[in-house]
Amino acid sequence: AQSVTQLGSHVSVSEGALVLLRCNYSSSVPPYLFWYVQYPNQGLQLLLKYTSAATLVKGINGFEAEFKKSETSFHLTKPSAHMSDAAEYFCAVSPFTGTASKLTFGTGTRLQVTL
Amino acid sequence: DAGVTQSPTHLIKTRGQQVTLRCSPKSGHDTVSWYQQALGQGPQFIFQYYEEEERQRGNFPDRFSGHQFPNYSSELNVNALLLGDSALYLCASSDWVGETQYFGPGTRLLVL
Repeated sequence: AQSVTQLGSHVSVSEGALVLLRCNYSSSVPPYLFWYVQYPNQGLQLLLKYTSAATLVKGINGFEAEFKKSETSFHLTKPSAHMSDAAEYFCAVSPFTGTASKLTFGTGTRLQVTL
Repeated sequence: DAGVTQSPTHLIKTRGQQVTLRCSPKSGHDTVSWYQQALGQGPQFIFQYYEEEERQRGNFPDRFSGHQFPNYSSELNVNALLLGDSALYLCASSDWVGETQYFGPGTRLLVL
């Protein structure tokens, strides 16, 4: 069984400040981990993914995440927030099976960026 | 290169009715998964189709059924609609041996 916990349903940062969105996972098998972003009234866009290669993963729009097995974490960071980063962010896990597997999502974190 | 497309974008139904949602996968993908996203929640996995067969299923009742066509497109059918079925329904496509799923814009279903 797999699960994801996203700490903080709402995060507010000032423009230019560090963004840190937290994700902890539970998985009985080696996981794949993903961060998706959802803008209002839209579908999900893939930001980045961890697939057992490098533990520090760089994604689009300046985001990155680090896989820490000992902490079962996959936190998302961005050095400097932009107004356009305001959106809902979802962390997701799927098992490493060699074939396409279902994604298990967290409940999401809404990021607000203020001037 | 067309991404994942879904139709319709919005739909309003009444309790007890039936609904069909449609999805065309990203070019080159052969696997389609469906997710339900209730308001304020993360997406929940409904089922996955590959080679026109249901391969995995989440914790959804039999009122939720699907189909995949030879061109890899897919339908999601929901019978006997309940108010609680109101949600954004997302389709995601992938390669069967790939780990990454790409999502469509979703169909927003409102059940009155």
